[in-house]
Amino acid sequence: EVQLEESGGGLVQSGGSLRLSCTASGFAFSRSWMAWVRQAPGQGLEWVANINQEGSEKHYLGSVRGRFTISRDNAENSLHLEVHSLRGEDTAVYFCARQGVLTGYYQEPLDIWGQGTTVTVSS
Amino acid sequence: SYVLTQPPSVSVAPGQTARITCGGNNIASKSVNWYQQKPGQAPVMVVYDDGDRPSGIPERFSGSNSGNTATLIINNIEAGDEADYYCQVWDSSSYQHVFGSGTEVTV
Repeated sequence: EVQLEESGGGLVQSGGSLRLSCTASGFAFSRSWMAWVRQAPGQGLEWVANINQEGSEKHYLGSVRGRFTISRDNAENSLHLEVHSLRGEDTAVYFCARQGVLTGYYQEPLDIWGQGTTVTVSS
Repeated sequence: SYVLTQPPSVSVAPGQTARITCGGNNIASKSVNWYQQKPGQAPVMVVYDDGDRPSGIPERFSGSNSGNTATLIINNIEAGDEADYYCQVWDSSSYQHVFGSGTEVTV
C-alpha cells in the first residue's frame, strides 16, 4: 500500500525550531519529487516547499525561504522539513505529499498525501 | 505571484451537476489539478492536468480549462461529494505551486 506518514509536530514557542519528518512506503521514493503543504486552522491549503529526486533542486514559498529547509534521505525513504524562527502564522497542519509521475511535465501534481502533523506556535 | 480565484461556496441539489470555477490570468496555458478535502482528512487528487482522472476516482468527476477559467465538474452529485475543493497550478515565474482559496460544496 502506498503510504506517507508524518511525524515531528508539536507545541513550540515563537522563535523556536522543529524537525518534521515523513516516511514513505509502497512506492519507489527515490523516483519522485516530494513536497510539503500546510493548512492553518480553518484555512486553505498552502504549498511550502518541494525537492527533486536527488535532493539537488529545492523550491520554497517566499515567506518561509531562509527559515525552512527541505531535505530527503532516499536510503531511508524519508523526507524532512527543518523549521526555524517559527512565527504564529506558521501554526498549521503540515502535510507531506508525493508529486506523481503522471504528466511528464517539469512539475507533477500531488497524487499521494499523508495525514499530516500539527505544528502549534505559541507566543 | 500567480493568483487563483475560487468562489467560497457552491450549493447543489443531489443528482444535479456542480461546476466549481478557478480563475487565473491565462490559466489555459497551465496544467490545473483539483483536490477534494473532507473535514479532518487529507486532500485527495480528483482531477489532474485539466481533465484527467486518477484511478479510483468516479467518472462523475471531470474538468476543463479555457481562457482565464478552469472548471471542475461533478455530475450526478451525491451527498458523499460534500467537501472543500481546491484548484492548483505550478507557477513557472515564481517557481512555486499555487493553490486556490478553496470552494465548499454543499449537497
